[in-house]
Amino acid sequence: SQELEQSPQSLIVQEGKNLTINCTSSKTLYGLYWYKQKYGEGLIFLMMLQKGGEEKSHEKITAKLDEKKQQSSLHITASQPSHAGIYLCGAEGSFGQGTELSVKP
Amino acid sequence: DTAVSQTPKYLVTQMGNDKSIKCEQNLGHDTMYWYKQDSKKFLKIMFSYNNKELIINETVPNRFSPKSPDKAHLNLHINSLELGDSAVYFCASSQGGGTSTVRKLFFGSGTQLSVL
Repeated sequence: SQELEQSPQSLIVQEGKNLTINCTSSKTLYGLYWYKQKYGEGLIFLMMLQKGGEEKSHEKITAKLDEKKQQSSLHITASQPSHAGIYLCGAEGSFGQGTELSVKP
Repeated sequence: DTAVSQTPKYLVTQMGNDKSIKCEQNLGHDTMYWYKQDSKKFLKIMFSYNNKELIINETVPNRFSPKSPDKAHLNLHINSLELGDSAVYFCASSQGGGTSTVRKLFFGSGTQLSVL
């Protein structure tokens, strides 16, 4: 099965700062998705990447799948308290362990 | 309209009891899943059902049994609950399944199970 490892596991940033979360796969990725989980709530779909080198953006969140298709990064520009939560990468039904993001006002 | 709904949202019970968590999706998807999120927030797949057929079972204890009366429902039954079963359980659905297929998962809001 697909194994995904995320880094860092937790992250505390000051509001307005940029940040990056990485997701590394043990196998070639045929597609990868990013979800966000708010505390006590379900998972919210952010975006899905399918092609090597593909990059997608949604508001201030950008995700990229590297060309070798074994790693993805999620970048948040000018972070806000509303960005706080747990970010998970997923592929083929498996998920990374999540990155817990806190944004200090 | 909630796309994937699961009930109850919270479930507190004693060790040894049998309980069920219900899940329904109104998206017309053909594949449904159960995930367990442990205290470390790690999300792990437990089961998936495609056209009433179990296609994934990740070494889950046989005290856990999924029941799918139709493709819009996938309920999770747990017998003889143990302390270690305490976690958040998420139901999800997608159109299409299989291990090499990219598919978008739609999640329910989770059921927090506490076993005392």
